[in-house]
Amino acid sequence: GAVVSQHPSRVICKSGTSVKIECRSLDFQATTMFWYRQFPKQSLMLMATSNEGSKATYEQGVEKDKFLINHASLTLSTLTVTSAHPEDSSFYICSARETVTDTQYFGPGTRLTVL
Amino acid sequence: GNSVTQMEGPVTLSEEAFLTINCTYTATGYPSLFWYVQYPGEGLQLLLKATKADDKGSNKGFEATYRKETTSFHLEKGSVQVSDSAVYFCALESGSARQLTFGSGTQLTVLP
Repeated sequence: GAVVSQHPSRVICKSGTSVKIECRSLDFQATTMFWYRQFPKQSLMLMATSNEGSKATYEQGVEKDKFLINHASLTLSTLTVTSAHPEDSSFYICSARETVTDTQYFGPGTRLTVL
Repeated sequence: GNSVTQMEGPVTLSEEAFLTINCTYTATGYPSLFWYVQYPGEGLQLLLKATKADDKGSNKGFEATYRKETTSFHLEKGSVQVSDSAVYFCALESGSARQLTFGSGTQLTVLP
């Protein structure tokens, strides 16, 4: 089946630094990718919808200047957490919608820890 | 807005027991409904889906029927295995970009 990868799988950074997370669809093209945040023992919360070649659409309450999303190609979307703080520590998950089957495939997630 | 309410866990069963995980939803229009499974250390995987009322999704022995009258999509399996131990998420898809709204997840542990 279709595979979505995320890099890195785990990152630890100091407060105030920026962190970039990559999401790639490995064997299919995705015009739409989604970014989620998952808190421990809680559900996935949609942060933004990323469309190739256009600006991302952010959910209410998500700061677009803090969580920068770039979807520069049909196989890559990036999420940059700018000036990270400890409250940004979380599990970030991306998904990509496969155009032919119209199915959403999920990446394995990235664990961000901000010290 | 849209929401998904899922049976709270954790759920612990013995192998070959019957499984039901309840899921109800609130949505405008006619959403598609999904069950996703997350095995330890892995990403979410689509387990099954149903796109309209009375549809039954099934996969790997799991089933769920889209009940519009009760706004429910309960997950069932007649005989669970140890390998079914995972977190199960109920979700609905709606909106122009067809975003997914997830339930809180249910941790299932199956003991040998």
